[in-house]
Amino acid sequence: EVQLVESGGGLVQPGRSLRLSCAASGFIFGDHAMHWVRQPPGKGLEWVSGISWNSGSTGYADSVRGRFTISRDNAKKSLYLQMDSLRPEDTAFYYCAKAPGYCSGASCYSYYYLDVWGKGTTVTVSS
Amino acid sequence: AIRLTQSPSSLSASVGDRVTITCRASQGISSALAWYQQKSGKAPKLLMHDASGLQSGVPSRFSGSGSGTDFTLTISSLQPEDFATYYCQQFNTYPLTFGGGTKVEIK
Repeated sequence: EVQLVESGGGLVQPGRSLRLSCAASGFIFGDHAMHWVRQPPGKGLEWVSGISWNSGSTGYADSVRGRFTISRDNAKKSLYLQMDSLRPEDTAFYYCAKAPGYCSGASCYSYYYLDVWGKGTTVTVSS
Repeated sequence: AIRLTQSPSSLSASVGDRVTITCRASQGISSALAWYQQKSGKAPKLLMHDASGLQSGVPSRFSGSGSGTDFTLTISSLQPEDFATYYCQQFNTYPLTFGGGTKVEIK
């Protein structure tokens, strides 16, 4: 069964840091781009960041660029989101999500929609 | 960033009704659009990709259409398990963006 399990959320003061993790199982993690999406309480979805299969390419929403860093460890089948200089507006439910794709030869190619989602972890930024 | 505008933001419908949700992009995105369903307290679930591609395991009463800037998601006969919030997402250009959502409620 394809599964994503997020962890690392919690209550943190403004200006502090938090690191989210996402453990993957049931698929070849290293073949797929991965993303973080967040959802503030009672609001809609916001894409946060994405990373290619080999970490060669990353992308960020303007709202987090320069403060958040996405990374992955394919050997550990894990995705990470380092969140620094946290603000109250970063309060949200954070989801890890997998992008579908395929590999050919030594390279993998990703589509940029999200076919598998974790259950999420809550981040609350408040003093 | 490409803005996606969904309409309506909410609707009330009965079981068996045909329901249509629209998503308009602020610029052309070809067919690079996905639709998701989110039930209360749950993670989103992929329904459609590439505007009209039905994701594996999703019932055939769901269909999608459109290209360029105007897209629709149609539920041909609303079932009790379809009451949820629906989001469109464009993947033509970074940053990926989502529409504001359409909440489908029971009439």
